Amino acid sequence: AQSVSQHNHHVILSEAASLELGCNYSYGGTVNLFWYVQYPGQHLQLLLKYFSGDPLVKGIKGFEAEFIKSKFSFNLRKPSVQWSDTAEYFCAVNAGDSSASKIIFGSGTRLSIRP
Amino acid sequence: ETGVTQSPTHLIKTRGQQVTLRCSSQSGHNTVSWYQQALGQGPQFIFQYYREEENGRGNFPPRFSGLQFPNYSSELNVNALELDDSALYLCASSPREGQGGEKLFFGSGTQLSVL
Repeated sequence: AQSVSQHNHHVILSEAASLELGCNYSYGGTVNLFWYVQYPGQHLQLLLKYFSGDPLVKGIKGFEAEFIKSKFSFNLRKPSVQWSDTAEYFCAVNAGDSSASKIIFGSGTRLSIRP
Repeated sequence: ETGVTQSPTHLIKTRGQQVTLRCSSQSGHNTVSWYQQALGQGPQFIFQYYREEENGRGNFPPRFSGLQFPNYSSELNVNALELDDSALYLCASSPREGQGGEKLFFGSGTQLSVL
């Protein structure tokens, strides 16, 4: 069965600091990987996704993530965070060889940015 | 805004009762997924509907059931409510582009409290 682990429940950073949020998944086959974000008072929305090709994926708002197959990881990064990045971040995985869009989410990481 | 609407936004029920939650998918989307998000957790996949048929199910008991209508809107029904069913229920629609892993467009959710 697929599962997703996010290592940090709550991360606190100052503005302009660099960010890396960890994500590991367990599934032996082909995977599709996602990061979703939920800003305060808003619905969940897609930040970026990896299906195939270049393992370094760029998303919206300067975020990027790197798929490392050997480590079953898909860590999210941003070189310089802003106060507006305060949100809850969810890593998610889908079995790429499945005909169903069953997307499994991690438990989330709350990011707080000090102005 | 995603164009996915859910109703009601909040609901209070007592243990043993039944509840129906509703979701209108974004225009052009024919796939609807339902998720349960307990406080402090990531969304957990309940099931998915594609062209009015269930197309994948998570680890939820049969008292969680659903429907999808010809206009692709959907309902989630929960019978014999238990206290642990208290959660935010999220609906997400997606265009069916082939095999799994399409981007999900989430609604704002229905907050269900079971007393």
